[in-house]
Amino acid sequence: RKEVEQDPGPFNVPEGATVAFNCTYSNSASQSFFWYRQDCRKEPKLLMSVYSSGNEDGRFTAQLNRASQYISLLIRDSKLSDSATYLCVVNPLAGNMLTFGGGTRLMVKP
Amino acid sequence: ETGVTQSPTHLIKTRGQQVTLRCSSQSGHNTVSWYQQALGQGPQFIFQYYREEENGRGNFPPRFSGLQFPNYSSELNVNALELDDSALYLCASSFRDLSYEQYFGPGTRLTVT
Repeated sequence: RKEVEQDPGPFNVPEGATVAFNCTYSNSASQSFFWYRQDCRKEPKLLMSVYSSGNEDGRFTAQLNRASQYISLLIRDSKLSDSATYLCVVNPLAGNMLTFGGGTRLMVKP
Repeated sequence: ETGVTQSPTHLIKTRGQQVTLRCSSQSGHNTVSWYQQALGQGPQFIFQYYREEENGRGNFPPRFSGLQFPNYSSELNVNALELDDSALYLCASSFRDLSYEQYFGPGTRLTVT
């Protein structure tokens, strides 16, 4: 079993749609959680950290369920510019390595 | 932009050769991590350097080695290159004592022929 698992997609959605991605992780002792966004042939960019209480940044909402060991990302009112690969990232030990999922590809169509 | 820079941008090497990749961390960051990203996959952790010492290592053989300098910049060295080493090599910097959010440089695309 992979340490961080994501549905690879692609998710093809129309502009304005709401789309949700889930991610599961295997290490119950994991301490930090993030969503990164990666455009084709570019570096990953931090989208948002994920907190136990859930957090929102504009059209993006992240949730963490420690009991079930999954993380979610909700994107509302999708824009064409949201088309990218979304990487679920877990930090199993404070200050140590980041463990990435394989990414979920999102394509927003006009 | 994150302020993390990497050089070179692209590199082509032959199997068996050695390569050195370089990374300058974002101002104020004291930790550098290196990742390998094969096509179609998520990045895989290679190792991390904090205060010039290796501070964690992923599942990579000893022919992958690194250094961190007093100015927190870093090098990744790979000896005896193999075809499977072809990948995007990403450097990420962070401030260990405050936040574990890591910020990536643009990467070096290595092709081994």
